[in-house]
Amino acid sequence: SQKIEQNSEALNIQEGKTATLTCNYTNYSPAYLQWYRQDPGRGPVFLLLIRENEKEKRKERLKVTFDTTLKQSLFHITASQPADSATYLCALEDSNYQLIWGAGTKLIIKP
Amino acid sequence: EPEVTQTPSHQVTQMGQEVILRCVPISNHLYFYWYRQILGQKVEFLVSFYNNEISEKSEIFDDQFSVERPDGSNFTLKIRSTKLEDSAMYFCASSEMDRGGNQPQHFGDGTRLSIL
Repeated sequence: SQKIEQNSEALNIQEGKTATLTCNYTNYSPAYLQWYRQDPGRGPVFLLLIRENEKEKRKERLKVTFDTTLKQSLFHITASQPADSATYLCALEDSNYQLIWGAGTKLIIKP
Repeated sequence: EPEVTQTPSHQVTQMGQEVILRCVPISNHLYFYWYRQILGQKVEFLVSFYNNEISEKSEIFDDQFSVERPDGSNFTLKIRSTKLEDSAMYFCASSEMDRGGNQPQHFGDGTRLSIL
């Protein structure tokens, strides 16, 4: 079955720098991959969706890449701000049209 | 911006009792979902619902669970004979046009279920 790996250690980044988070998967390449943000005690909030035929997607300070050869997606936040501190979740569609989720990476932006 | 709303925000129940978790999805959305997240763990898919019937369900969603759309706005998750291991955050989500990963899913802020 499909497995998703995200760096379980918190990522500490200085304000203003670019934060890069990694999502690796183990089996077949999904047709779609999504990134969400989750704050403590809150539901996930959708950020970006990228399709298997897209190499890169951007939205304001956010950028997602999708490398089906490496079986990896990278999520970048440029000009990071303390308000970007949260847990970021990667999710992808499995063969049963279900979203399966990574454990998330906690991002801490220090002023 | 339209939101998914869930009630109650926190539910405390004795083991063995039945609970009903309620959700109001975004009004023009067609697909509805329930997920759970045990404290400190991954979000896990439970079930998806479309056109008044279950579309997909995971292995977690056994006979203890059921879903219903009793009217045009509410979407409920019923858990019968609750067990200690049912303690988790339960999230409802909805998407506009398609199931699975092809569409953004919009989540509520969850119901924290505590089984004593």
